[in-house]
Amino acid sequence: QKEVEQDPGPLSVPEGAIVSLNCTYSNSAFQYFMWYRQYSRKGPELLMYTYSSGNKEDGRFTAQVDKSSKYISLFIRDSQPSDSATYLCAMSRMYSGGGADGLTFGKGTHLIIQP
Amino acid sequence: EPEVTQTPSHQVTQMGQEVILRCVPISNHLYFYWYRQILGQKVEFLVSFYNNEISEKSEIFDDQFSVERPDGSNFTLKIRSTKLEDSAMYFCASSDGGPGKDGYTFGSGTRLTVV
Repeated sequence: QKEVEQDPGPLSVPEGAIVSLNCTYSNSAFQYFMWYRQYSRKGPELLMYTYSSGNKEDGRFTAQVDKSSKYISLFIRDSQPSDSATYLCAMSRMYSGGGADGLTFGKGTHLIIQP
Repeated sequence: EPEVTQTPSHQVTQMGQEVILRCVPISNHLYFYWYRQILGQKVEFLVSFYNNEISEKSEIFDDQFSVERPDGSNFTLKIRSTKLEDSAMYFCASSDGGPGKDGYTFGSGTRLTVV
């Protein structure tokens, strides 16, 4: 079983729809959960960051983490054509203080918002 | 907005040659990382660097890879003897508090093509 699973899509929805993206993971040591947006041939850009379980909202974006189910979600409300990109989930273990743990990424979901 | 700068944007090299990929992290950041993304695959962690030493490295980061912070601003990744399978996008990232604070800031990447 892969450490982080993410449906690669493509996921195509009409403009204005609510988009739901999600990842599952197997490593219960993950504590930090992030969503990145990546445009073609560009670096990932941080959208949302959550520590442990719970919800976090920022504008049109809501991130949810359910550690008991090892499941994280990103919701995009009022989706726009400019939201078309690849969305990557990423996670890491507890920051140990003396060093820095690398991120484990999902493969990314290619999202297309149709005008 | 501060950004991570990577040069060159595209590097073509002959198999067996050494390459150095360069990065200028955000100036007040303390943690530095290299990731790679083979075309069509997930972003993979290579190495993290803090306090002038490697904090963590993945299985990918074998003896042919090395990192260095030669001065107060640059962070480099050297691949000693390139192989065809090293062809990928290489992303540098930096953070001011490890992965668990506000995530990382990624650069736009260097596309390495080994021929």
